[in-house]
Amino acid sequence: GDSVTQMEGPVTLSEEAFLTINCTYTATGYPSLFWYVQYPGEGLQLLLKATKADDKGSNKGFEATYRKETTSFHLEKGSVQVSDSAVYFCALSPTGNQFYFGTGTSLTVIP
Amino acid sequence: EAGVAQSPRYKIIEKRQSVAFWCNPISGHATLYWYQQILGQGPKLLIQFQNNGVVDDSQLPKDRFSAERLKGVDSTLKIQPAKLEDSAVYLCASNPRGAGGNEQFFGPGTRLTVL
Repeated sequence: GDSVTQMEGPVTLSEEAFLTINCTYTATGYPSLFWYVQYPGEGLQLLLKATKADDKGSNKGFEATYRKETTSFHLEKGSVQVSDSAVYFCALSPTGNQFYFGTGTSLTVIP
Repeated sequence: EAGVAQSPRYKIIEKRQSVAFWCNPISGHATLYWYQQILGQGPKLLIQFQNNGVVDDSQLPKDRFSAERLKGVDSTLKIQPAKLEDSAVYLCASNPRGAGGNEQFFGPGTRLTVL
């Protein structure tokens, strides 16, 4: 079945460090891929998405590229800030209306 | 535009008691989802509505959980009786029509603690 596998955390980085959170997926067909972010005490918010192969989603300095050949959608940011501390979820949605979420990766950025 | 509203934000009950959560999706959104998020895990879908009909409730523990969306707008999720393992955050989400590629909009969640 459809599923998402995320890099396990927690991840701790110093401010201005480079961030990569790995995400790979299993799906039939051509799903849409998403990264959601959950700040402490809040609900999930969409960070970025990509709907077809080779699309790059970007927002707030974060980027992820839909790689069909490696079934991956890794999240990257060149220089993290303390305010980026949160839990990040990779998700996929097949051509329909279901969503499958990864287990989440907790990121802590220290000054 | 108002977001997805949920209440209450926090609830503490004892096992075997009953509890209900309420969700009001974004106006005009046809699809509504209830998720259970256990600490340290990703959201797990419990039930999905399209308007007032159930699309998917395959992971809903129907012996104790029930949900309804009578007028195709707001929704209620009930647990009766609650167990210790039901302690989690219950998230409600909506999207315009549930088509692939559309993002889900999440409410702030209800944190349930079962003692």
